[in-house]
Parts: sequence; structure tokens; C-alpha cells
Amino acid sequence: AQSVTQPDIHITVSEGASLELRCNYSYGATPYLFWYVQSPGQGLQLLLKYFSGDTLVQGIKGFEAEFKRSQSSFNLRKPSVHWSDAAEYFCAVGSPNNDMRFGAGTRLTVKP
Amino acid sequence: EAEVAQSPRYKITEKSQAVAFWCDPISGHATLYWYRQILGQGPELLVQFQDESVVDDSQLPKDRFSAERLKGVDSTLKIQPAELGDSAMYLCASSLNPGTTNEKLFFGSGTQLSVL
Repeated sequence: AQSVTQPDIHITVSEGASLELRCNYSYGATPYLFWYVQSPGQGLQLLLKYFSGDTLVQGIKGFEAEFKRSQSSFNLRKPSVHWSDAAEYFCAVGSPNNDMRFGAGTRLTVKP
Repeated sequence: EAEVAQSPRYKITEKSQAVAFWCDPISGHATLYWYRQILGQGPELLVQFQDESVVDDSQLPKDRFSAERLKGVDSTLKIQPAELGDSAMYLCASSLNPGTTNEKLFFGSGTQLSVL
């Protein structure tokens, strides 16, 4: 079965600084990869997804992620962080039978 | 935009009591999921329905948890009896095109369960 590792439990960045959240996956075939964001006490909102094609994926709210098969990674990036980006971010890997597995999450704090 | 509805928003119960959560997916979404999210962890799939049929319940603790989706629309997740370790956020999600390139899960706001 597939699995996801998010190495960073908590990251703090200054407002306006760039951001990169790491995600590594384990899956035997080409994975379906997702990034979700969760605000406190809320459900999850999809930021972006990768299924095939261009390995650089653009998402909502100015986020992008790059699929690197050789590194089994799907890192999330944003060039300039806003205070409203403070939240929990989850990487997930899915399969054609729709068995989706989530990482443990990375909590983002944004300093003014 | 259509949303996945869940109720109640919060539930406090004593251990050994029964609790139930309700979910109404987005209209037309045949696939429905129940996830459990323990504080500080990612969501864990408990059960997946395709219409009224269970597709995957391998992670559902069947001695105390049950889920149903009788008419293939809304769904109920039940815990009986509740244990202290069941305290978590229970998230419902629905999907229109599972396992395809149009795959996208829509999540409800969840039910926060506290077992005392």
C-alpha cells in the first residue's frame, strides 16, 4: 500500500518569505498526488493535484508543487507567504482504486 | 458552491455510550468516505462507499464502529460503545470521479468527538 511522509511537523516563516513544504511518497506505480490545506476546526480543501503530464502543477492561492519521480517527492511551494496561509497542510497519495493515504501534516506559522 | 454537510459539529459523550454522526454528500457524488483525524495526525480512512455498497472498510474497527448508506445518498457512522481513544475529528468526504484524473475529494467541516 502507498504511504506518505511529511518530514516537517511545524514550519515558521515570515510574511512575504518563500515557502517549501516537503512530501515524500511510497508507491509502486505512478501515484496520484494531492496537497490539501486545513484551517483550525475545518475540513480539508484541495490546493492542487498531480496525475500525469507536466510535473510542475499550479494550484489555488498561488501554490505550486513539483513531482520528482527520482526523489519520490511532491514538494509544495509558494514564492511569497501571506498571513492567511497559516494552517495545516497535508500531502496525500491516491491510487486508481481510490485508496487515498494522508501524511501526518505540516503546521505552518506565519510571522508578521 | 455545494458542500458536504455533517452534523453534529461537536459531540461530547461519556465512554460506553453510543454516538452517531451524519453526513450528506454533494448531490450526485456516488462515492462517500468517512475519515478519522486524531489531533496532530493526518486523516485515516475508515470506510468508503460506492453508492450504497461498502468498497473498503479494512480500517474500520468493526467491533464497535458501523457505517451505513442505505439509499446511497446520506450516511451514518456509529460508535457503540465509545472509548476514550475515539476522541477525534470525524470527517466525511465525497467524490464524483474516484480513481480518475478528475478525482477530487470534497470534505465536510467534520464532527469533533470528545469522549469523557
